[in-house]
Amino acid sequence: ETGVTQSPTHLIKTRGQQVTLRCSSQSGHNTVSWYQQALGQGPQFIFQYYREEENGRGNFPPRFSGLQFPNYSSELNVNALELDDSALYLCASSLGALGGTDTQYFGPGTRLTVL
Amino acid sequence: SQELEQSPQSLIVQEGKNLTINCTSSKTLYGLYWYKQKYGEGLIFLMMLQKGGEEKSHEKITAKLDEKKQQSSLHITASQPSHAGIYLCGADVRSGSEKLVFGKGTKLTVNP
Repeated sequence: ETGVTQSPTHLIKTRGQQVTLRCSSQSGHNTVSWYQQALGQGPQFIFQYYREEENGRGNFPPRFSGLQFPNYSSELNVNALELDDSALYLCASSLGALGGTDTQYFGPGTRLTVL
Repeated sequence: SQELEQSPQSLIVQEGKNLTINCTSSKTLYGLYWYKQKYGEGLIFLMMLQKGGEEKSHEKITAKLDEKKQQSSLHITASQPSHAGIYLCGADVRSGSEKLVFGKGTKLTVNP
């Protein structure tokens, strides 16, 4: 158990809709990172938040946005869903700001299907 | 282009056999992580390596980092069905704003 939880576990949406995915980090972890994992691929970095501020972003369009709250919870929002957004979405929490050199602990993921 | 290449893509071994999974980076490694993933689930942290020549072990799993070759290997001794899953290497390569880049994973099947 990593102490990182995500909700919901599964979600089905239609193209054009909006979705919010939630993550609860380990207590004391100030950094949360979000990843998208397509079938058969490794996770792709979406963005990272450190103490409620965005701290790095991967190659994802602006319709992917996030929020981090003081209570160690965070959200990933995706607007105007496309079929290619179907994937497993993972959040990971870590202690510090760098993320890359801090061990990241992953949640179980949310499986999003866009029809 | 893929910054982290893992080999093999998949591996089927008989229980009790040893095996090795490799991870090669096209960029300088500032940290290398190994994770295990059951299908469709989250990643379970196994080990982190930071220094060249570093070697870490956990139960029957050993990981090594060759900084000069920008490679890491994960070795499992006397494999068991519980070792089955997808092994992913992740690396801090300080590439733009990417915090951690991952390989595509190696799917391991252990037959009893």
